[in-house]
Amino acid sequence: GAGVSQSPSNKVTEKGKDVELRCDPISGHTALYWYRQSLGQGLEFLIYFQGNSAPDKSGLPSDRFSAERTGGSVSTLTIQRTQQEDSAVYLCASTAGTGTQETQYFGPGTRLLVL
Amino acid sequence: QQQVKQSPQSLIVQKGGISIINCAYENTAFDYFPWYQQFPGKGPALLIAIRPDVSEKKEGRFTISFNKSAKQFSLHIMDSQPGDSATYFCAASRWGVGTSGSRLTFGEGTQLTVNP
Repeated sequence: GAGVSQSPSNKVTEKGKDVELRCDPISGHTALYWYRQSLGQGLEFLIYFQGNSAPDKSGLPSDRFSAERTGGSVSTLTIQRTQQEDSAVYLCASTAGTGTQETQYFGPGTRLLVL
Repeated sequence: QQQVKQSPQSLIVQKGGISIINCAYENTAFDYFPWYQQFPGKGPALLIAIRPDVSEKKEGRFTISFNKSAKQFSLHIMDSQPGDSATYFCAASRWGVGTSGSRLTFGEGTQLTVNP
């Protein structure tokens, strides 16, 4: 596709349930980032992928959060046993990964509400 | 640790006026300073960016001023228009140190409203 896409666009779940959020980066982009945007807050880094590897997972807030990337393309962020404080917009961004400082292109985000 | 602080939290200007948003950073290793614009329901989009080897960068009505010694940078929007009403985020990153790629550290955001 022409841009970064994310699905679902909105997700409402009950506390304690697991959720999966999907990111499709721009075709050919090897670097992928997940961020979280809580209400009225800035964006908080979660995890960085280069290809299928995640060299930086330092932003994941707890072991309930995990992410994977397959085929150097699609990435899935999984939140297990969701809590109300997990409610936020989860944003994905990608770059070409050419080895220099690059523009990050963001998707529209997934708005997660945990009841 | 909050590494990038942004102010003001909200800003209201009249059409044709100048909007100014300020950011301060702590980590002197940062070497890239972008500003992102975000409309409701959309992801952030790069507006303009600067590297620390220059003190100013201008693109159309948007200018970044950068003060390396003060560890501050600001966004100026000249001739502000109602269509500029959005949330603006400053950010900073350092490329390639360790394994962090070019992860961005964001400010808290400024909600700009331009009245017609």
